[in-house]
Amino acid sequence: NAGVTQTPKFQVLKTGQSMTLQCAQDMNHNSMYWYRQDPGMGLRLIYYSASEGTTDKGEVPNGYNVSRLNKREFSLRLESAAPSQTSVYFCASTARTDTQYFGPGTRLTVL
Amino acid sequence: GQQLNQSPQSMFIQEGEDVSMNCTSSSIFNTWLWYKQDPGEGPVLLIALYKAGELTSNGRLTAQFGITRKDSFLNISASIPSDVGIYFCAGSSTSYGKLTFGQGTILTVHP
Repeated sequence: NAGVTQTPKFQVLKTGQSMTLQCAQDMNHNSMYWYRQDPGMGLRLIYYSASEGTTDKGEVPNGYNVSRLNKREFSLRLESAAPSQTSVYFCASTARTDTQYFGPGTRLTVL
Repeated sequence: GQQLNQSPQSMFIQEGEDVSMNCTSSSIFNTWLWYKQDPGEGPVLLIALYKAGELTSNGRLTAQFGITRKDSFLNISASIPSDVGIYFCAGSSTSYGKLTFGQGTILTVHP
């Protein structure tokens, strides 16, 4: 039981490049979430998926897209990366509506 | 949107001292959560609170759900070096588990 896994762990992009961050959970959770963490700002919700087949915007969705591929997997895509998207990205999942379990994070730098 | 103010922003204490931190919100939450994040890792859930006035302990940690439902407190007794990390409060007021996070309290424990 690996919990929540994320790939890659580190990534460096040039401005304008695209990439997809992958997240998978093996806990049979219905809901999954993508956050970004910036110094002094806590975690801010980018997108979430309350259940398979649904996605909704969070607090900071601009510049991102998501796909809930199946119950296990929830990916985050940056179509045209910008330096302002340099951050640490966390995926989380939950069975009940509040106790979220987090992955180890992806550290993204956009030059 | 909802705002969470977490204080203090940082604490430097001696091993064995007790620690207190709190979060206040501009709106009511149905659930309060406290997470700890170690360097390079994702947040890990410490305590979950579901009822106004609830007081819950987890080892040396005690947290309370404020009776106004707009605040929560976390206390750590007899701190040890492994308590070092960033502590986040988070609140939920929706049915989809959307969390609002505080900015975090950075705890440093001197041996």
